[in-house]
Amino acid sequence: KNQVEQSPQSLIILEGKNCTLQCNYTVSPFSNLRWYKQDTGRGPVSLTIMTFSENTKSNGRYTATLDADTKQSSLHITASQLSDSASYICVVSKTGGGADGLTFGKGTHLIIQP
Amino acid sequence: DTAVSQTPKYLVTQMGNDKSIKCEQNLGHDTMYWYKQDSKKFLKIMFSYNNKELIINETVPNRFSPKSPDKAHLNLHINSLELGDSAVYFCASSARYGTIYNEQFFGPGTRLTVL
Repeated sequence: KNQVEQSPQSLIILEGKNCTLQCNYTVSPFSNLRWYKQDTGRGPVSLTIMTFSENTKSNGRYTATLDADTKQSSLHITASQLSDSASYICVVSKTGGGADGLTFGKGTHLIIQP
Repeated sequence: DTAVSQTPKYLVTQMGNDKSIKCEQNLGHDTMYWYKQDSKKFLKIMFSYNNKELIINETVPNRFSPKSPDKAHLNLHINSLELGDSAVYFCASSARYGTIYNEQFFGPGTRLTVL
């Protein structure tokens, strides 16, 4: 069964600190993995996308890594800011696309405290 | 210059009613989607649709039906609303259906409350 597990479920850190969010998946055949950021009351926005051959991808202070062998991904946030408070959702696509080709994690709820 | 828009933003209705949520995208994308996000913030895809193919998540009740008058619009019609339908519904669109370049752009969401 295709699954995406994210940890931790929630996380509170102080402004300026770094943090790492985890995503483990069992989706097969793997096509790509995407991290989304969802601010409260808004739709998700894509942060990074990685295919099988990519190990790391950065977007400003966000750096995603992918280990396709162990089927693990992480999202590292550097020098956190209050605006980073949001839910972070890991989405894994399998080849073929379509509604049944996407598996969503349940997200990590991140709170940045001043 | 909103990319993906939805109306209404909030919808409160009685059980048993029929309602529609509208979605429009001005990105020129060829694929649109509907998602349901429950109270635990879990996003679940309901449909993906382009001008050739509708793919339905098998867990979606047939009371839900997408209707697309044209490529830029995908409305969601819900018959006989139930309490469990209360959630936030997101519309999204993407280009290049079926390829790896399928970044989805989400609308702001419609919060549906069924009383």
